[in-house]
Amino acid sequence: NAGVTQTPKFQVLKTGQSMTLQCAQDMNHNSMYWYRQDPGMGLRLIYYSASEGTTDKGEVPNGYNVSRLNKREFSLRLESAAPSQTSVYFCASSLTGKSYNEQFFGPGTRLTVL
Amino acid sequence: QQPVQSPQAVILREGEDAVINCSSSKALYSVHWYRQKHGEAPVFLMILLKGGEQKGHEKISASFNEKKQQSSLYLTASQLSYSGTYFCGTDNTGNQFYFGTGTSLTVIP
Repeated sequence: NAGVTQTPKFQVLKTGQSMTLQCAQDMNHNSMYWYRQDPGMGLRLIYYSASEGTTDKGEVPNGYNVSRLNKREFSLRLESAAPSQTSVYFCASSLTGKSYNEQFFGPGTRLTVL
Repeated sequence: QQPVQSPQAVILREGEDAVINCSSSKALYSVHWYRQKHGEAPVFLMILLKGGEQKGHEKISASFNEKKQQSSLYLTASQLSYSGTYFCGTDNTGNQFYFGTGTSLTVIP
């Protein structure tokens, strides 16, 4: 089992460009999450999907969109990248959306917006 | 709703003990603890649910005080491999939780 996989691992964008970060899990989990991690800020939730077909905003959703393509895949899209979106992005999954389930994290995508 | 962690950073010698605290201004359903090594993804350590239980994982254990809305992570007889950043995640609503800003732990020989 690969667990949670993310692509790409690194990306450099220019301001205004768009891109999609891909995430997939093979653990048959129902819930998936997108976080961003900035120095001194910890992990902040961007969007989550409690189950296939549903998505909800987290703490910092502005400038992002998500798609829960199927049970395995959850993508994050930046429509018009800004330097403030320079960050490390982690995807995670859990068996259910209840907080008594641990979250499994992918390896992260390091994004730089110039 | 983000929990507050303390201390922000700690340096230990091998064999020493450490305590990391995590507190919330709201009632908690659960507390998660994760460890992240530099350049890697966070890795799950343990979950504590309402009830004030204490859990252990090798020489790492944690307590959850529901009344005080806080949790503490205890690292005993620290090893070099314990170095990393420790995050707590707290849930106030039963469905979504928030991570603290992390505690950097460095263990030196």
